[in-house]
Amino acid sequence: QITLKESGPSLVKPTQTLTLTCTVSGLSLTSTDVNVGWVRQIRQPPGKALEWLAISYWDDDKRYSPSLKNRLSITKDTSKNQVVLTMSNMDPVDTGTYYCVYQGLIDDIWGQGILVTVSS
Amino acid sequence: DVVMTQSPLSLPVTLGQPASISCRSSQSLLYSDGDTYLAWFHQRPGQSPRRLIYKVSNRDSGVPDRFSGSGSGTDFTLKISKVEAEDVGIYYCMQGTHWPQMFGQGTKVEIK
Repeated sequence: QITLKESGPSLVKPTQTLTLTCTVSGLSLTSTDVNVGWVRQIRQPPGKALEWLAISYWDDDKRYSPSLKNRLSITKDTSKNQVVLTMSNMDPVDTGTYYCVYQGLIDDIWGQGILVTVSS
Repeated sequence: DVVMTQSPLSLPVTLGQPASISCRSSQSLLYSDGDTYLAWFHQRPGQSPRRLIYKVSNRDSGVPDRFSGSGSGTDFTLKISKVEAEDVGIYYCMQGTHWPQMFGQGTKVEIK
């Protein structure tokens, strides 16, 4: 069974850097076609918008959201089977739930998400 | 970025009746490998989104056959043949052809 679990702070202050860790179980990050990324869900009236932030591909290629590229970094630690996302210069508008997502050839599996609040 | 536009944004439905959600993309989602990377997700309150359909019309494992997806190019549809109580929640389309992958705004399905 493949599971993903996000960990990190639930509260950060404005201008701080957020570091989130995704621990993957049930598959190896070194395997072909194992791609892991981050999606966030933030309030955007009238609902909650879903937004891709970054993805780390199995071949070590990485992609970032163009609008957030200057603030994001995604890294893979294959020894721990983890994917780490850092997001700098956090702002209250970045408050939301951050999900780790595995995309395989056919599979699509999400973690439970971690709620991050940006407030002083 | 490719813009994904869903309609309607709110869909009151009667149990046992059909429901349909439309999704349009600002660019063709046909990829160079011949596949079209359009997926549908369902999210219940307090839960993570769950994918129902991938590559336009392929149901994920465990997804009831009352769910079906269709379309091509820039126009796509999710249909529920007979709505059940567990189908309430928000439905999102998502394109995976172009980076960044983009979601629609979401359609809230509720029982009348």
